[in-house]
Amino acid sequence: DAKTTQPNSMESNEEEPVHLPCNHSTISGTDYIHWYRQLPSQGPEYVIHGLTSNVNNRMASLAIAEDRKSSTLILHRATLRDAAVYYCILRPPGRGSQGNLIFGKGTKLSVKP
Amino acid sequence: SQTIHQWPATLVQPVGSPLSLECTVEGTSNPNLYWYRQAAGRGLQLLFYSVGIGQISSEVPQNLSASRPQDRQFILSSKKLLLSDSGFYLCAWRSIRVLTDTQYFGPGTRLTVL
Repeated sequence: DAKTTQPNSMESNEEEPVHLPCNHSTISGTDYIHWYRQLPSQGPEYVIHGLTSNVNNRMASLAIAEDRKSSTLILHRATLRDAAVYYCILRPPGRGSQGNLIFGKGTKLSVKP
Repeated sequence: SQTIHQWPATLVQPVGSPLSLECTVEGTSNPNLYWYRQAAGRGLQLLFYSVGIGQISSEVPQNLSASRPQDRQFILSSKKLLLSDSGFYLCAWRSIRVLTDTQYFGPGTRLTVL
């Protein structure tokens, strides 16, 4: 699986936008870019995914670079509940029958009131 | 809508005792099922996955085992727990009908082996 690189930690102020970067220079043409987050003492939670075009949902936006070698998860207005570890994961579609996700260390986001 | 349940939520067990953790999924059929473990301060490690009843694949050799007796039930077991088995155990499911491999995680079981 292609590798992703994320900063270990980031800080944000409440109600301000947060841009969480992810580098994936070895991404293949069919890899989907997934983002998950893990709140303290909880299981990971799906946030968003995309392939080429920018994506928006109720939780966040995903901006994908034109060359697809990097992406940015955007939280438009951070809240204290957004404090979590955010994981950027690449997955080729329907790879085998297992669909395993390989979680790296992610970015620990702290939100200050 | 689909939901995933895990129990118990927390467990404290002595070394050498058996273990049984249960995961059930509702609202979907024939899901892929996964067991992960997260040791304190570490990342998630895939332990087992299953693509169907009775079909188990192991990712990491260890003293744990998994079984899938029913389509939406996944069980993690051990005959004799080790101290190193302590951690946060997470079950997840994936729909095989969706091409993008999105997984949905349960609330987890926090296991402490003393």
